[in-house]
Amino acid sequence: ELKVEQNPLFLSMQEGKNYTIYCNYSTTSDRLYWYRQDPGKSLESLFVLLSNGAVKQEGRLMASLDTKARLSTLHITAAVHDLSATYFCAVDPLSGGGADGLTFGKGTHLIIQP
Amino acid sequence: EAEVAQSPRYKITEKSQAVAFWCDPISGHATLYWYRQILGQGPELLVQFQDESVVDDSQLPKDRFSAERLKGVDSTLKIQPAELGDSAMYLCASSDLSGRYNEQFFGPGTRLTVL
Repeated sequence: ELKVEQNPLFLSMQEGKNYTIYCNYSTTSDRLYWYRQDPGKSLESLFVLLSNGAVKQEGRLMASLDTKARLSTLHITAAVHDLSATYFCAVDPLSGGGADGLTFGKGTHLIIQP
Repeated sequence: EAEVAQSPRYKITEKSQAVAFWCDPISGHATLYWYRQILGQGPELLVQFQDESVVDDSQLPKDRFSAERLKGVDSTLKIQPAELGDSAMYLCASSDLSGRYNEQFFGPGTRLTVL
């Protein structure tokens, strides 16, 4: 059974600081996704990572994937209040047979304080 | 911009009643997913459809949950009877698997409260 673990689960940081969220998963996969969720809202797709060494950047967020270590990171540079949200990583378990529902981590609740 | 539509957005029901949720995926997306998200946790897959066929319903509690996608477009998820533990956000997502990857787009969700 695929397990996806995120850490930290809660993070409070100040504006202007840098930080990294980690996502570890337990089985082989080269498809990893990062989503953002605001309180009471649905999930917004942030990044799609499809191969070992993949790196994607959008604004102050950068995501990377190391399939050998089964690790993805989401790095926040010079955080601003608008980035406060819950961030989820999700892994496609590559089950075969067309079954490709994602397995999500528990999420990292990020609060950025002025 | 194309979006996944869901209704209702909120539903309050009493234990043992029946509830139903509706989802309309992005036009042209053949794959549709229903997820359940309990407060403070990540979404968990309930069922996946490819067109009108169920691909994966291994995590669907079939004694009380049912899902259908009769014409391969919109879908309905039903719970009968509802239990207190079913209180959660029910999310529908769709994807277009004609490309290499499986980016899933989520609807706004239906928040269910069972009293």
